[in-house]
Amino acid sequence: EIVLTQSPGTLSLSPGERATLSCRASESISGIYLHWYQQKPGQAPRLLLYGGSSRATGIPDRFSGSGSGTDFSLSISRLEPEDFAVYYCQYSGSFGQGTKVEIK
Amino acid sequence: QVQLQESGPGLVKPSGTLSLTCAVSGGSISSSHWWSWVRQSPGKGLEFIGEIHHNGNSNYSPSLRSRATISLDKSKNQFSLKLTSVTAADTAVYYCASQWEILRGAFDGWGQGTMVTVSS
Repeated sequence: EIVLTQSPGTLSLSPGERATLSCRASESISGIYLHWYQQKPGQAPRLLLYGGSSRATGIPDRFSGSGSGTDFSLSISRLEPEDFAVYYCQYSGSFGQGTKVEIK
Repeated sequence: QVQLQESGPGLVKPSGTLSLTCAVSGGSISSSHWWSWVRQSPGKGLEFIGEIHHNGNSNYSPSLRSRATISLDKSKNQFSLKLTSVTAADTAVYYCASQWEILRGAFDGWGQGTMVTVSS
């Protein structure tokens, strides 16, 4: 079973700054099966990116994804107040443990 | 995008069986989707429980395979989860979710989640 490790655990940034979140797989995977979610307190997760880099419906273009093999990343070009949340990567039946993006 | 709504008891006794249902609207359960359950223990991350396709194929998390069963009711356009022999460790928010085949395993639709507490 693939294990996904996200880093850092918490990212403290200010609005307008760039955020880069990492997701590392325990073995090489195909990026078309790597997906990213955003979750806010008390809400269900929301699909952000599928296939590593394709934005889901309604997701603004400040969100982007990249990577291959075992190393993948989610970038938020300029943080908006609504972007402060927890982000998860997912591959098949495995989720990363999440990265919390908090206001500095 | 389909809409999903969980329902079921919010309290289950230890050693009992947790039973939840997810009603699907805005689309057919016989469409090109996998139908899944994901849970989240308080303050923790997301945990995949299992999934089922309308053709009857199913997959489960290795850690829950012996206790979890997911089934479809095509006549009611809904699917269900049964989790047996529950303990306090099964206390969590349970989400039903959909995976559109074209998105290669991404969970594109989520229910609002239902909190289930295991306690006597």
